[in-house]
Amino acid sequence: SAVISQKPSRDICQRGTSLTIQCQVDSQVTMMFWYRQQPGQSLTLIATANQGSEATYESGFVIDKFPISRPNLTFSTLTVSNMSPEDSSIYLCSVVGLADNNEQFFGPGTRLTVL
Amino acid sequence: GEDVEQSLFLSVREGDSSVINCTYTDSSSTYLYWYKQEPGAGLQLLTYIFSNMDMKQDQRLTVLLNKKDKHLSLRIADTQTGDSAIYFCAHRGGYQKVTFGTGTKLQVIP
Repeated sequence: SAVISQKPSRDICQRGTSLTIQCQVDSQVTMMFWYRQQPGQSLTLIATANQGSEATYESGFVIDKFPISRPNLTFSTLTVSNMSPEDSSIYLCSVVGLADNNEQFFGPGTRLTVL
Repeated sequence: GEDVEQSLFLSVREGDSSVINCTYTDSSSTYLYWYKQEPGAGLQLLTYIFSNMDMKQDQRLTVLLNKKDKHLSLRIADTQTGDSAIYFCAHRGGYQKVTFGTGTKLQVIP
């Protein structure tokens, strides 16, 4: 299975600032995704990170608020821009492996608190 | 639609079997998953089933799929206190996007 690391693991930020979350995978993967899990809630897909092109965003999420990069097959970043307390969530990176594209794995998550 | 519904809470005694149920609406689902999330931890993939299967067994875990009724269940045999967690069902639809259920909190009573 793919091993996924995220940085930072948690952060407390001020309203109006931005935070970039990094996701690193130990092997090349086909698909990378970013999810959000608000307190006590299920997971919601933010976007699919596409290598070398713009991310594909789900309804309710826009590039200006959540810019995403994916420069290669093992790395992606998600930026949460102009943060407000409503952005307080766990942000999770997820991947579909090359070896077994039936399995979808998740990183440990980044716990973000916006004051 | 892409709704995935689960009951919110299940309580069982240690040693009993647990059955967690899930219903979904997306008929284009290819794979269906069960994930476990312990407090403060990430998501652990427990098992998955392809949509043309009706059952999969993996040690203490048994997954049953009724594709006609769009109903998925996870049975945990001989439930232990370490099984206490939130369990999410999820399905993969178009563009390999995975949609998650609301989560079922399993409480195991010693």
